[in-house]
Amino acid sequence: SQQGEEDPQALSIQEGENATMNCSYKTSINNLQWYRQNSGRGLVHLILIRSNEREKHSGRLRVTLDTSKKSSSLLITASRAADTASYFCAMGSYNTDKLIFGTGTRLQVFP
Amino acid sequence: DTGVSQDPRHKITKRGQNVTFRCDPISEHNRLYWYRQTLGQGPEFLTYFQNEAQLEKSRLLSDRFSAERPKGSFSTLEIQRTEQGDSAMYLCASSLILAGADTQYFGPGTRLTVL
Repeated sequence: SQQGEEDPQALSIQEGENATMNCSYKTSINNLQWYRQNSGRGLVHLILIRSNEREKHSGRLRVTLDTSKKSSSLLITASRAADTASYFCAMGSYNTDKLIFGTGTRLQVFP
Repeated sequence: DTGVSQDPRHKITKRGQNVTFRCDPISEHNRLYWYRQTLGQGPEFLTYFQNEAQLEKSRLLSDRFSAERPKGSFSTLEIQRTEQGDSAMYLCASSLILAGADTQYFGPGTRLTVL
């Protein structure tokens, strides 16, 4: 499999705390996207960062990308119980538009 | 709702039967993708179309799988002679490719159970 790897596999925090998830990949990328998936449902797109960008913000989300280390991180600030879900990074390459997904981080936010 | 829709949402079938899934992309999106997701894993790419042309197929897509996108609108994914290993969530996504990378929007998925 060509999946990226995410760390940690599971994360449990209290409401109000920050959650950080990391993604490592192996190949050159054109962009990296983060998705959220609630239990048994489809994926919701959160944010896209291009290979020439280093940091991007969207609301309570902050994504960083380090192409030299082939890694990305997703930070969710001031977490809420509604943030409980699985989070996936997905890599897009230059010569194809298919996405290669990571293995996911299961986030649980306790009220 | 103008999002990606998939039908059916759930399908239970017996081993050896054929099944067909449908995906309706977001209107005017020219790219359509199929992925498969098994429990506890991230989605894996199967195939994608630009308009009606199938541009890429994964090695995961055996001869029992076929996908079409007639007229570049909706798409169907057919699995012939289903096997228990085909049990998974089948996800469809669409995007509008203008230049460079664009966001893929996913449907709710079709959950297939092969008994």
